[in-house]
Amino acid sequence: IAGITQAPTSQILAAGRRMTLRCTQDMRHNAMYWYRQDLGLGLRLIHYSNTAGTTGKGEVPDGYSVSRANTDDFPLTLASAVPSQTSVYFCASSEAGGGTGELFFGEGSRLTVL
Amino acid sequence: GQNIDQPTEMTATEGAIVQINCTYQTSGFNGLFWYQQHAGEAPTFLSYNVLDGLEEKGRFSSFLSRSKGYSYLLLKELQMKDSASYLCAVRDSNYQLIWGAGTKLIIKP
Repeated sequence: IAGITQAPTSQILAAGRRMTLRCTQDMRHNAMYWYRQDLGLGLRLIHYSNTAGTTGKGEVPDGYSVSRANTDDFPLTLASAVPSQTSVYFCASSEAGGGTGELFFGEGSRLTVL
Repeated sequence: GQNIDQPTEMTATEGAIVQINCTYQTSGFNGLFWYQQHAGEAPTFLSYNVLDGLEEKGRFSSFLSRSKGYSYLLLKELQMKDSASYLCAVRDSNYQLIWGAGTKLIIKP
């Protein structure tokens, strides 16, 4: 089934540890995104990539990094996790540059930083 | 600053009709989206409006007034499975999505 796969689904880690959230899509979409979702707040964009080889900063990029080596994969790395990064993280993709710009979301990664 | 406002929570009865409002103030406008998100799941696309007026899709309709910075999502013949959060998002002049915090809709039998 075509779509977006995120891993891990859930993770608890100690503050200061490094963590990479994985995201893979098989729809050949050009654009990919990482959002965090916190209670009472709208989805907030962390980083995005309009096409393989390029990335950009979103609304809340500090403490996070991404890479886009190919079309399918868009990992999100927390270099040194802090408790404020406890959140649900969603990866999404879309066809860039046209259409309705509908986003397709992964199932989310629930991260708890202690 | 950019802002999307929608009610935090609404309650409705199975079989009834409910209207979820969304007002926005953004830097430019390139379309408005509604997404549905069941608890613990990913958001899924419901509708897209870029021109004024009503877009109907089955039991769901979405309305847009660009001059008023206003949209609503209308859900008819409510079913228990419609219990979810409904997210309003506006694409601004930079083609970035600005999201509202979502409206949690509770359906009662």
